Formats: sequence, structure tokens, C-alpha cells
Amino acid sequence: ETGVTQTPRHLVMGMTNKKSLKCEQHLGHNAMYWYKQSAKKPLELMFVYSLEERVENNSVPSRFSPECPNSSHLFLHLHTLQPEDSALYLCASSQDSGTTNTGELFFGEGSRLTVL
Amino acid sequence: AQSVTQPDIHITVSEGASLELRCNYSYGATPYLFWYVQSPGQGLQLLLKYFSGDTLVQGIKGFEAEFKRSQSSFNLRKPSVHWSDAAEYFCAVGAPGSARQLTFGSGTQLTVLP
Repeated sequence: ETGVTQTPRHLVMGMTNKKSLKCEQHLGHNAMYWYKQSAKKPLELMFVYSLEERVENNSVPSRFSPECPNSSHLFLHLHTLQPEDSALYLCASSQDSGTTNTGELFFGEGSRLTVL
Repeated sequence: AQSVTQPDIHITVSEGASLELRCNYSYGATPYLFWYVQSPGQGLQLLLKYFSGDTLVQGIKGFEAEFKRSQSSFNLRKPSVHWSDAAEYFCAVGAPGSARQLTFGSGTQLTVLP
């Protein structure tokens, strides 16, 4: 496989469920990201991992818990979500290495989450 | 703080017509600028990017964009639109050397009429 792969593509969960979103990148990048995309709103950066260390957490509620076990894999653990958390969750990767970093993100196809 | 404005929420053009999508940004220095496209049910794909040098940049699928510093704009153009270009287009501005600081606009939805 190539690029950035996200699973599942669609997820429906109740407010008391616990689920996880998975992202895998095959580009040899060293930084990975979670974005939230809601209708009619700009993309919201949720989490950034660089060299497997979390470097940003943009005030995301604790019901979202990221995990980055290595530079190729990224998870978003979900628990006790609210209906307003329904959105498309996009994973992205980049090569984050100082002056050679072009600032370009490579995105997966997203996981469409519906919270009932 | 950096910001991006895409003034047109929705644009409709006929197939074969020319296209221009507007993007205005706010940034303290020379930014990195990007255009991404998102087809229904898909992630975002990079169309083109500007870092420095020639202010007219060419991208994939026949798209081009022009950086105008005096107008703080980075408008996307295509001379002849194809039905497959129907999608949502996002402009983004970032700091040199850091994808972490990428800020996206709200997007412009493009509809192409046959």
C-alpha cells in the first residue's frame, strides 16, 4: 500500500461506546496529525506527533485520546463522545525535519464518525 | 496570527469555462501557500504550492495559481474546467518549514454544469 490509510472509513457509535480510529502512513514521514472536519467549518488541527512525541494538543476534549506507537501508526481513541463530535476525522503525515520541511501535508481519506 | 479567507462558499461553472477561486491570506512574512482539493468522500489532495521564486505556479490537473504579495492573494485558476473538477477546494497558509502551523480556509465548493 502507498500513502496514508485510515480505518474504518465509517463508524457509528453511541455516546457510551469506546472505539478507535487507526491511521497508517507508508511514506516514511516522521510527523503525523489528526484533523477534524465538520460541515461548513475550517479544518481543525487536533493533535500533532513528531518523532512519536506529541508536540501540540489544540485544547481537544479529553474524550479524544491519541496514541502514536511508532512513526508509521497513529490512533485516535474515542470514548463517551457527544453528537457534536460527529465529523470526518482526517489523518495526515509530513516530513518534519527543519529546513527541509516543505510544510506539505499528505492526507488519508478520512473516517466518517457519527455519534448517536 | 495567520488566517485564510475564501470569500466564495460555492461556485458554479459550465464545463469548458474558465475558473478562478479566490484566496486571501494574512501572514506577517512571506508564507508558504497551498491549494488542496477534496472530492466527495475523500481526503485532501495537494494541487500546488508556493514557497518562493516565480509567483505563477503550476500544479496538477491543469491548475495554476498566482501569488500576489501586494494583494495578499493566492488565487487558483484553470482555463477550461472538466466535470471531474467538481469538488471542494481549500486554500492554506503556513509558516516556512512547519506543516504544524498550516491554517486552512473554509473551502469553496465547485459545481460543474454539463
